[in-house]
Amino acid sequence: AQKITQTQPGMFVQEKEAVTLDCTYDTSDQSYGLFWYKQPSSGEMIFLIYQGSYDEQNATEGRYSLNFQKARKSANLVISASQLGDSAMYFCAMREGHETSGSRLTFGEGTQLTVNP
Amino acid sequence: GAVVSQHPSWVICKSGTSVKIECRSLDFQATTMFWYRQFPKQSLMLMATSNEGSKATYEQGVEKDKFLINHASLTLSTLTVTSAHPEDSSFYICSAIWPVGRTSPLHFGNGTRLTVT
Repeated sequence: AQKITQTQPGMFVQEKEAVTLDCTYDTSDQSYGLFWYKQPSSGEMIFLIYQGSYDEQNATEGRYSLNFQKARKSANLVISASQLGDSAMYFCAMREGHETSGSRLTFGEGTQLTVNP
Repeated sequence: GAVVSQHPSWVICKSGTSVKIECRSLDFQATTMFWYRQFPKQSLMLMATSNEGSKATYEQGVEKDKFLINHASLTLSTLTVTSAHPEDSSFYICSAIWPVGRTSPLHFGNGTRLTVT
């Protein structure tokens, strides 16, 4: 079963505008963590933001914020004031709580974001 | 901090030869490293979990005899693709968690693009 779902293969946004990238997840664990990564065309994976399942407030990191709706099992990434350098692939990922899985992350299919000038 | 270095960044090899990819944690000790594989425009798929001083744990469907993993020290894990074939051409990327903890992100190397001719 798909653990992480990103329904938007591609998104376009105008420079300086905000954009929301969708992510829904599926888990039966009570304790889990959600991560967003950015992957430019060069291939490196850049960590953006983290949200824990027990966190009461939505995470924010600079221009990135996470719209966490636990009951709906969604963790959407909001990028404010988009910049041309934000054009990249964005991946949502989850770490589940059971010990046998260690610290590994399961990734969604990704969303290719293009910021237009 | 938490820099992961991966080498080489790209490699071209002939079918039937073996290729070794190195993953080093530069400023921390990584008892566990994770090897992912990514095909073009697809998500990251976990191949194996590399544990220092013990055998790697492979994901279902990953041939352990083909993808040899050695984690001989707290700062180095290697992935050897043995008897490579064109279908092994892919982007391989390693990662490690730091600091150790459920809320910590994975830090990734810059990846290795393997082309088998």
